[in-house]
Formats: sequence, structure tokens, C-alpha cells
Amino acid sequence: EAGVAQSPRYKIIEKRQSVAFWCNPISGHATLYWYQQILGQGPKLLIQFQNNGVVDDSQLPKDRFSAERLKGVDSTLKIQPAKLEDSAVYLCASSLGPTGSYEQYFGPGTRLTVT
Amino acid sequence: QKEVEQDPGPLSVPEGAIVSLNCTYSNSAFQYFMWYRQYSRKGPELLMYTYSSGNKEDGRFTAQVDKSSKYISLFIRDSQPSDSATYLCAMSVIQGAQKLVFGQGTRLTINP
Repeated sequence: EAGVAQSPRYKIIEKRQSVAFWCNPISGHATLYWYQQILGQGPKLLIQFQNNGVVDDSQLPKDRFSAERLKGVDSTLKIQPAKLEDSAVYLCASSLGPTGSYEQYFGPGTRLTVT
Repeated sequence: QKEVEQDPGPLSVPEGAIVSLNCTYSNSAFQYFMWYRQYSRKGPELLMYTYSSGNKEDGRFTAQVDKSSKYISLFIRDSQPSDSATYLCAMSVIQGAQKLVFGQGTRLTINP
């Protein structure tokens, strides 16, 4: 079974630029999560999708972050404009959701550096 | 006060030692407790998953939950250099969506 795929793996941008991350969850997983992990900290949930609907985006900085999940499969997370404090690893995870286990499987992450 | 507190370490022990990792939490609504292992430049992977107070054993790993003290532990017996990683505790409330709240993570090194 293929795992959660993310791209790019690394990205360096200047502040005020925009950036987008892509996630392809495990096939058949209804629930998709985006987490932000700042160096030395645990992951923090940014947004959770159930199929293509948003379940929880309470910790998403909506003035600069946006996310969508097309047709309930792939998802993109965008930051516009980026700030220095956005430097972090952005992790995507997926789980079967209501029809099965809620165990979350994580991708390798995208490491973002904002200069 | 953070909902979940975890000593970031770093923790360094010799091979074969018993390792104890701990988290405390403040939200009494947490019902599910998990331990994740994260290798450098990788995503977290689930190690142990427990519900309710008590112990759960899986090979060299034992997870312990004490809800009365709001305290959870992970014990690693006969530690190996391959166990060197960051260990993250995570918790969630019983609800339709499993929103996880993570601890800071403890960086562990097992020295050969």
C-alpha cells in the first residue's frame, strides 16, 4: 500500500512570496489533515477535511493560509504572503475516517524556509 | 498553559537500558492516547494507541495511562540504537473527528 505522498520536499522562499504544497493521501482515506510542525515542537493541526468538506480549520491563519481538497482526494495548502514565522515542516496525514479506523498516517512533510 | 506537556529532552541512554518517556495533560476530556515515533526528516508513525487507564504492551514497548493524575508514559525495554528518534505523545477527545493534540516531543538517543 502506497503511503501519503507530499511535494515538494523542500522549499525556500522570501517573505511576502507565495507557496503551495501538494498532498496525495492513501487511496480510500476519507479524512485528510494538514499539520504545521515548527522546529522543536509537536505538530499542530491546521485544517481537517472529511472527503472534500472542512471539519476543523480553527487554527488555520485564514488571512494568509488557504487549503482545498479537490474531489475528496488530493489537497493543496497555500500560503500567501509568507512570513518568517511560517518556516516549518508542513505534514499531511490521512485516515480512513468514519467508515473505519481513525489512525492517522503521515507523509514525509514539506520543509519550508522563509528568508 | 499548554494542553499537553512533554519534556523535550534530549535524553541519551546506553543500549539495553529501559527508557521512560512521559506526558502530562490538563484537559480531562481526552480519552484516546497515542505515542508516535518520528525519525529525522520523516513524518510521525504510530507506535501505541490506548483508550482508558491502564497498561498496554507491544513487544518491547509498554504504554501506561493514569487518567486520575492526567499522566501517560511510554516504556522501552532493551533499547536499541534503532530506537533513536523523537517520541511524540498525542491525545484526542471522543468525537466524530480525531483531532490530535501533540506534545512537544522528546528527542531520544540510544548509544551503542
